[in-house]
Parts: sequence; C-alpha cells; structure tokens
Amino acid sequence: QMQLQESGPGLVKPSETLSLTCNVSGGSISNSGYYWGWIRQPPGQGPEWIASIYYTGTTSYNPSLRSRLTISADMSRNHVSLRLSSVTAADTAVYYCARHLTGRPFGLWGQGTLVTVSS
Amino acid sequence: EIVLTQSPATLSVSPGESATLSCKASQSVSSNLAWYQQKRGQPPRLLIYTASTRATGIPARFSGSGSGTEFTLTISSLQSEDFAVYYCQQYYKWPPGAYTFGQGTKLEIK
Repeated sequence: QMQLQESGPGLVKPSETLSLTCNVSGGSISNSGYYWGWIRQPPGQGPEWIASIYYTGTTSYNPSLRSRLTISADMSRNHVSLRLSSVTAADTAVYYCARHLTGRPFGLWGQGTLVTVSS
Repeated sequence: EIVLTQSPATLSVSPGESATLSCKASQSVSSNLAWYQQKRGQPPRLLIYTASTRATGIPARFSGSGSGTEFTLTISSLQSEDFAVYYCQQYYKWPPGAYTFGQGTKLEIK
C-alpha cells in the first residue's frame, strides 16, 4: 500500500527558502498516470493547491505562487521535492503531498508537515 | 481563478438526521468537482469525485449531486464519525490553471 511522508524544517525565517520533501513508499513515483502534488493549508483555512509534477517531469504551478516555486522529482530516491523562495508569514501552513491522476482530485495524501515562518 | 463558495460555514445537526452542504462555483466546472472530509489533525479524505461518484470505501450515506456551478453533498443518517469539516474542490482547469478549494463547512453536533 502506497504511503506518502512529508518532511521539512518546521521553522523558516522570513525571506528564506523553504525546502520540503515527500518520500513515497510502497510504490514508484515513476508509475505512469500519476501526478505528485503539493497542497498547503494555513491554520483555520481551506487547502490551497501549490504545484504538481508528472513522472516525465511535466510540471504545473499555482499561478499565484509560480514565481517562487520549484517542484522536482528524484526517481532514484523515489521522492518529490518543493522549494518556495522568499517566504513570509503568509506561507505558514501545513504542507501536504498528494497523488492525483491527470485532471483528477487528490486520492492519496500524506499526513502533512507544519511549517512556521517566523524570525 | 475559479472561486468556490461553501455554505453554510457551520452546520449543527443531530446524529441520525441528514445534512446538506452547498458548494457554488464562480464559473462552470462541469462535473469536475470533488468533496473531502477532514478531521482535526488529519489530511483531507476524498469522499466524492465527478460530483456524484463515491470514492473507494466511502459509505452510501454520502451522496453528491450537481453540475455546472451548483453542487450539494448530502449525508444521511449522520454518525458520530461524520462530524468534521467538509471541503469542495474543482479540478476543471487542468492544465495549466489551478485547482481550487472552498473554505469549508464545519459539521457539528447539535
């Protein structure tokens, strides 16, 4: 059974770059048909889709965050990474990785990792 | 960006009764709408996709309806484990646009 596990720094200072990793177990991220995405959820708010990557390397980004984002996949390590630059307090959230098919909702989620932006 | 508006923000219902949650889109998303359930400290769980199709393992008391801009999630015969926050999500704009979520409806015990 496939499982997703996010990891991150927990605390990031304003203006720095946030780096997150999603480790996938129980299956390969190179399986055709699946996108691997990141979603975040600020405290008390609804989720926000951030970005997704296909095993071929095709990427899609939330237009509102595109200029600060980089999503990548490492097939050898079976993980997906996200970098968000120039963070502010508004980037404080629980960050989830999730799996979805092309043009489909998120059917499998990790447990999430809380990231706090504070000096 | 397609904006999803959920109502009400909070719904108080007694166990055993039914609950009806609404999600309205700022433009048509056809049937490309999903519903999720989220309990405290957990990730969202997919309940319904394509507006009315239950995801694997979801009980029949959960049903979805609608198309275009207006959607409804109905939960019949509420069980204690159903009290949670519910989100709708559209996946109409893919690619290159953005998936969006509603702000949620909290279903609480009356």
